[in-house]
Amino acid sequence: LAKTTQPISMDSYEGQEVNITCSHNNIATNDYITWYQQFPSQGPRFIIQGYKTKVTNEVASLFIPADRKSSTLSLPRVSLSDTAVYYCLVMNRDDKIIFGKGTRLHILP
Amino acid sequence: AAGVIQSPRHLIKEKRETATLKCYPIPRHDTVYWYQQGPGQDPQFLISFYEKMQSDKGSIPDRFSAQQFSDYHSELNMSSLELGDSALYFCASSLGRGGMETQYFGPGTRLLVL
Repeated sequence: LAKTTQPISMDSYEGQEVNITCSHNNIATNDYITWYQQFPSQGPRFIIQGYKTKVTNEVASLFIPADRKSSTLSLPRVSLSDTAVYYCLVMNRDDKIIFGKGTRLHILP
Repeated sequence: AAGVIQSPRHLIKEKRETATLKCYPIPRHDTVYWYQQGPGQDPQFLISFYEKMQSDKGSIPDRFSAQQFSDYHSELNMSSLELGDSALYFCASSLGRGGMETQYFGPGTRLLVL
């Protein structure tokens, strides 16, 4: 299971674009990168998943460079309701989810 | 759309008592996962079931047991409760096993052990 490293916390302002970078130097060939969001006292919620290059959905974009040793979750025009913990996970088909230390994102008005 | 249902949502027990948490997965989902999240902690994987068989095991204490029934709902049985068992317990379900299938989490059961 590849180890991930991400910022412990980040602050940003409403309307800004927020980029959270995750390092995963030991990512394996068959590993995917997945991001979850968790609000206080709620279960984690799947945001986005990717293998390489760029993935975009209605919530976020995920940028993965060619060497795949890092990835960046991009949240466009954040609002106060985006204040949450964001978890970067690297796993393959045989892995259970192991949550590491997520990034506590705090959006300010 | 139907989501994962957990019951009860809140539970208060005393030390050495037992507790049973229930999880009803999203219809047609065949895999259930249990996680424990202590105050200020990240979720910790406990155990998972695929097609009613245990598929993976994490940091589940020996005092805990779980099973998945024929209708795919799952129960987490906790005995000899300790103060340190106070936590949020999440259940998640997916269609298929393995880490790639998106896991959908329930609202959690908040257990308080006094």
